[in-house]
Amino acid sequence: DQQVKQNSPSLSVQEGRISILNCDYTNSMFDYFLWYKKYPAEGPTFLISISSIKDKNEDGRFTVFLNKSAKHLSLHIVPSQPGDSAVYFCAARPSGSARQLTFGSGTQLTVLP
Amino acid sequence: EAGVTQSPTHLIKTRGQQATLRCSPISGHTSVYWYQQALGLGLQFLLWYDEGEERNRGNFPPRFSGRQFPNYSSELNVNALELEDSALYLCASSYLAGRGTGELFFGEGSRLTVL
Repeated sequence: DQQVKQNSPSLSVQEGRISILNCDYTNSMFDYFLWYKKYPAEGPTFLISISSIKDKNEDGRFTVFLNKSAKHLSLHIVPSQPGDSAVYFCAARPSGSARQLTFGSGTQLTVLP
Repeated sequence: EAGVTQSPTHLIKTRGQQATLRCSPISGHTSVYWYQQALGLGLQFLLWYDEGEERNRGNFPPRFSGRQFPNYSSELNVNALELEDSALYLCASSYLAGRGTGELFFGEGSRLTVL
């Protein structure tokens, strides 16, 4: 079963506007949520994370929001830049002994100049 | 500081053959993770090694195996290759064995093509 879901395979946004990427999860035992960015022919790179005890974390243009009751998190990028065009993966880490990250299927973000 | 390095970058095999992929973690990192990214899919967890031991494995058949060496480098072996094994294989490392924020540092991957 897919515990972390990204239901939008793609998103297009105009430069300077806000990009909102969404992620849903089904397991309440995740203690950290992370966002990774991946360019073609490169490995994923860490972007931002949030603890399950928080509801918001901000780092420059990137903000992650966590809604535990809805089992939903989102990544906001403001303002969006063409260099942000990449595949964004949502990931979650279980709080038990199995500490590997579970990833969503990714969302291709295209920022149009 | 060198990042996670993987080799080979590309590998072409035929059905039934064996493939070996290699990974060197960031210096000081003791945990190595292997993920598979098939075309159009997300990253599927394969294996996690820490301090030379297999800590966990994902929902893959036993023909996917690996090991971690005393210098913390790792290799992933895929036996009896099937067409659907064609994918990007990503290695990641961390220094906290899953503690902290859970951040993993990824290599650029090895692209395996099975013909």
